[in-house]
Amino acid sequence: DVKVTQSSRYLVKRTGEKVFLECVQDMDHENMFWYRQDPGLGLRLIYFSYDVKMKEKGDIPEGYSVSREKKERFSLILESASTNQTSMYLCASSYPPRTDTQYFGPGTRLTVL
Amino acid sequence: AQRVTQPEKLLSVFKGAPVELKCNYSYSGSPELFWYVQYSRQRLQLLLRHISRESIKGFTADLNKGETSFHLKKPFAQEEDSAMYYCALRGAQKLVFGQGTRLTINP
Repeated sequence: DVKVTQSSRYLVKRTGEKVFLECVQDMDHENMFWYRQDPGLGLRLIYFSYDVKMKEKGDIPEGYSVSREKKERFSLILESASTNQTSMYLCASSYPPRTDTQYFGPGTRLTVL
Repeated sequence: AQRVTQPEKLLSVFKGAPVELKCNYSYSGSPELFWYVQYSRQRLQLLLRHISRESIKGFTADLNKGETSFHLKKPFAQEEDSAMYYCALRGAQKLVFGQGTRLTINP
């Protein structure tokens, strides 16, 4: 069975903290994605990666960075968390070229106080 | 620019009534469109893709290039259809999602 896991379901951090969100997939997928999900705004792509050590900016990369040192793991980093980064974060993976069939993790609800 | 618009944030219908979730897109090339669904406390998952021309859980969606639309339809709604629905457009190596429509089926 396809599996995408995220390190935390709920996370509470303070403004200015450095935050790491981890995502692991066990499907040997090349492509991995980070989205944020906000009511009324839908899913917005933050960053994606199509190979180890490769990364591409999505639609809203400001305030975020990513790391892909291993094929199965894709980390999202908030260098200095701010309250407007309070959101639900979804990780996904897919096998090229079928970018359309993305497999999603359960999500991490991040609250920045 | 690639863009997906779902004009309804919320949609509420009665059980047994027809359902139509609207999706419009903007894309200069040949579009590939999809519907994803997220049931309560579950992960977001692919529901159907227009290429397959399939019916999943009674839902169908037809790509209308003239109207640049990909509306999701079901003739008789069921309570288990209550969920968040996202329309998506394939771009280069990524998907562009719409804002989502929360569908509620009333008993």
